[in-house]
Amino acid sequence: DIVMTQSPDSLAVSLGERATINCKSSQSVTYSSNNKNYLAWYQQKPGQPPKLLIYWSSTRESGVPDRFSGSGSGTDFTLTISTLLADDVAVYYCQQYYNTPYTFGQGTKLEIK
Amino acid sequence: EVQLVESGGGLVKPGGSLRLTCTGSGLSFRSYNMDWVRQAPGRGLEWVSDISASGSTIHYADSVKGRFTISRDNAKNSLYLQMNSLRPEDTAVYYCAIEMTAFDFWGQGTLVTVSS
Repeated sequence: DIVMTQSPDSLAVSLGERATINCKSSQSVTYSSNNKNYLAWYQQKPGQPPKLLIYWSSTRESGVPDRFSGSGSGTDFTLTISTLLADDVAVYYCQQYYNTPYTFGQGTKLEIK
Repeated sequence: EVQLVESGGGLVKPGGSLRLTCTGSGLSFRSYNMDWVRQAPGRGLEWVSDISASGSTIHYADSVKGRFTISRDNAKNSLYLQMNSLRPEDTAVYYCAIEMTAFDFWGQGTLVTVSS
């Protein structure tokens, strides 16, 4: 199984500042035949289901603000929120969908400093 | 608008069974792979099972293999999870999700509580 490890577990950032969350996979999630990274990022607010933010490691889902960006390839990935808003308080998960069992990181709780 | 609605959760004793249903609307249900993901109280996300668009390919997490069965009825836009031999550690909110690129849309979830 591919193990997904996020860092940090929690993060406090001031409004208007940048937030960076890292995700590392135990093996590459890049499919060589199409050079796509099978890595997604989700946002989950209390009492709500997860919401897809980013897929293919860097493609924003429709309607997701451009202050959210994803980067990385192979085994190392990053989610960046360029200018933190109060509405961004949530738990963020990375997920590999390269092969089953699809696995999620443990989550990063983002709070306002 | 894409909507996924789960139902069938509830309180069940250890060793008991439940059948969850996920009904989709606003999309061509039969075109996409579907998944079940669960979240224990206060915990992270755990993928449970997936089924291909046609229903011909199925995978399970080791934690549920041999106890849970996923199925679908494309004519009814419905996805199912038959859960047998339930354990206290199966207590969680169960979400269905549709795979378009990643897990693009999720239902609101249904709570399954396994307790005596």
